[in-house]
Amino acid sequence: QQQVKQSPQSLIVQKGGISIINCAYENTAFDYFPWYQQFPGKGPALLIAIRPDVSEKKEGRFTISFNKSAKQFSLHIMDSQPGDSATYFCAASKIDKLIFGTGTRLQVFP
Amino acid sequence: EPEVTQTPSHQVTQMGQEVILRCVPISNHLYFYWYRQILGQKVEFLVSFYNNEISEKSEIFDDQFSVERPDGSNFTLKIRSTKLEDSAMYFCASSADRGGDGYTFGSGTRLTVV
Repeated sequence: QQQVKQSPQSLIVQKGGISIINCAYENTAFDYFPWYQQFPGKGPALLIAIRPDVSEKKEGRFTISFNKSAKQFSLHIMDSQPGDSATYFCAASKIDKLIFGTGTRLQVFP
Repeated sequence: EPEVTQTPSHQVTQMGQEVILRCVPISNHLYFYWYRQILGQKVEFLVSFYNNEISEKSEIFDDQFSVERPDGSNFTLKIRSTKLEDSAMYFCASSADRGGDGYTFGSGTRLTVV
């Protein structure tokens, strides 16, 4: 019940394309859903986050879509750039412990 | 922008030795955490710490692990007798509030047990 399932494991997108990463959770007690971006040798950095009282949040090229009834949420990266190439983790939290998904390695080719 | 600082960036230790990983959280943060990431795998919660005591710990955080805030600025993770399977990246994080919001992670310490 504490798991967060993430797909796909890897994603290859051409520059300018849309990258979509999906996550699903089971525990309805989770109340905070962040996405983290991680570059090699670095710690996870918060990209964008959402709470379950909204269905969508957009910040620049990054959008989270949240479906509370399906217990799913996704990250959309519009106009993907080579600099977006990194590993992306979804996570879910209740109180202060983050449960991470398994990660998606995104490669954006010029 | 405020940072969480971790030292050392890389530590190699022999199996059975004790290691201490150090972290300086963001100065006005009150909640402190350790996570680990085995190479190529997901980031896993180890422990959360608030008001000088552990508030939650995972199954991974057994008796070999301990945390301490020895002074007003440092937050340490000690592994008493390292095993080969402790080899991982260890990330410290801090936040001002509970609820996951505003977590800031450090760059990590790569621990290699040989």
